[in-house]
Amino acid sequence: ETGVTQTPRHLVMGMTNKKSLKCEQHLGHNAMYWYKQSAKKPLELMFVYSLEERVENNSVPSRFSPECPNSSHLFLHLHTLQPEDSALYLCASSQGTGEETQYFGPGTRLLVL
Amino acid sequence: AQTVTQSQPEMSVQEAETVTLSCTYDTSESDYYLFWYKQPPSRQMILVIRQEAYKQQNATENRFSVNFQKAAKSFSLKISDSQLGDAAMYFCAYTSNSGYALNFGKGTSLLVTP
Repeated sequence: ETGVTQTPRHLVMGMTNKKSLKCEQHLGHNAMYWYKQSAKKPLELMFVYSLEERVENNSVPSRFSPECPNSSHLFLHLHTLQPEDSALYLCASSQGTGEETQYFGPGTRLLVL
Repeated sequence: AQTVTQSQPEMSVQEAETVTLSCTYDTSESDYYLFWYKQPPSRQMILVIRQEAYKQQNATENRFSVNFQKAAKSFSLKISDSQLGDAAMYFCAYTSNSGYALNFGKGTSLLVTP
């Protein structure tokens, strides 16, 4: 595996379900990100981890809970989501933060029913 | 707050021709970085080109080049010899040393016709 991978690629869940999105980077980077991409809106940054510590939480509802157990893995735990949370969730990584180029995974397409 | 504006929701180009995608941004920072990303139907966001604001020389990557006008806060992408595989959404993005996020524009959908 190379680059940034995400699983699952597609997910359908009910509003009462609990699920998790997984991201793994094989680039030796120290920073990882979650972005949300909704139709007709620019990408929105959700969370940033640098050296496994959360450095930014961009006013994201508590029904989204990130976890970064090590610098290669990032999770997004989902519970009691709303239909408006349906979107493409993109993971990215970079060597550091700030000016470093971010490299993206293929995304997880989430549909909340 | 930094904003990125892409004023062309859709563009079309014929194969082998050249097309320019526009992007403007607003910032009070002096040290920042600009990017163009491509997102094909597969949804993977792929880096096309990067420009450091302190560099006067325009970045180039094979058929892709930028026209960076710092005073005008403009950062356009030129695609030469367009190919069918260039069809995608193109996003302009901005970041600076003082933040973590890439600030994206709304994107330009590029159609390449044979």
